[in-house]
Amino acid sequence: KAGVTQTPRYLIKTRGQQVTLSCSPISGHRSVSWYQQTPGQGLQFLFEYFSETQRNKGNFPGRFSGRQFSNSRSEMNVSTLELGDSALYLCASSLVASGREFFGPGTRLTVL
Amino acid sequence: AQKVTQAQTEISVVEKEDVTLDCVYETRDTTYYLFWYKQPPSGELVFLIRRNSFDEQNEISGRYSWNFQKSTSSFNFTITASQVVDSAVYFCALSEARGGANSKLTFGKGITLSVRP
Repeated sequence: KAGVTQTPRYLIKTRGQQVTLSCSPISGHRSVSWYQQTPGQGLQFLFEYFSETQRNKGNFPGRFSGRQFSNSRSEMNVSTLELGDSALYLCASSLVASGREFFGPGTRLTVL
Repeated sequence: AQKVTQAQTEISVVEKEDVTLDCVYETRDTTYYLFWYKQPPSGELVFLIRRNSFDEQNEISGRYSWNFQKSTSSFNFTITASQVVDSAVYFCALSEARGGANSKLTFGKGITLSVRP
């Protein structure tokens, strides 16, 4: 089985712009979670989707949003980018109730 | 609220030394999962182990072993005879166990392990 894929792998944006990141889960996995990793805050949970519904959300401002499509692929969007949004954004997929998440390689976002 | 503390931030050892990575967690849940992940320089988090709160048996997998002690809320990870390829950042994580649904992972800050030849 192919692993979790994330596109693009690298992205450079300027403050005030918006960005959309994409995640394709492992085939058959219906749950997708997103995490932000920064040197200062470490790994922080953003949100989790299952069957196109957001089931869990971390403590991030409304500028961070996401969605999941019927094929389980997920996108996350960050609007009005700030310098502090520069981070590695990791997507993870899992089977329901397995408790084990498989992570993708991440998208490294740089905001200038 | 859940919390994971990895007090060690950086560890440097010489190849073939044994090394233990500490993890202490806090949770009010009686049922939960504990994890260890490895993050090599490539950035992708690699799953190492999952342990549920009812299973306190220690586990050994090759050179890796884990010691789970509920009494001290600790889930420590030992690498025996370390190798250069073990150099990475290691994260301990905690999630609540919700029946039929996945729950968010709460990660520690990570421990950077450097194994010198």
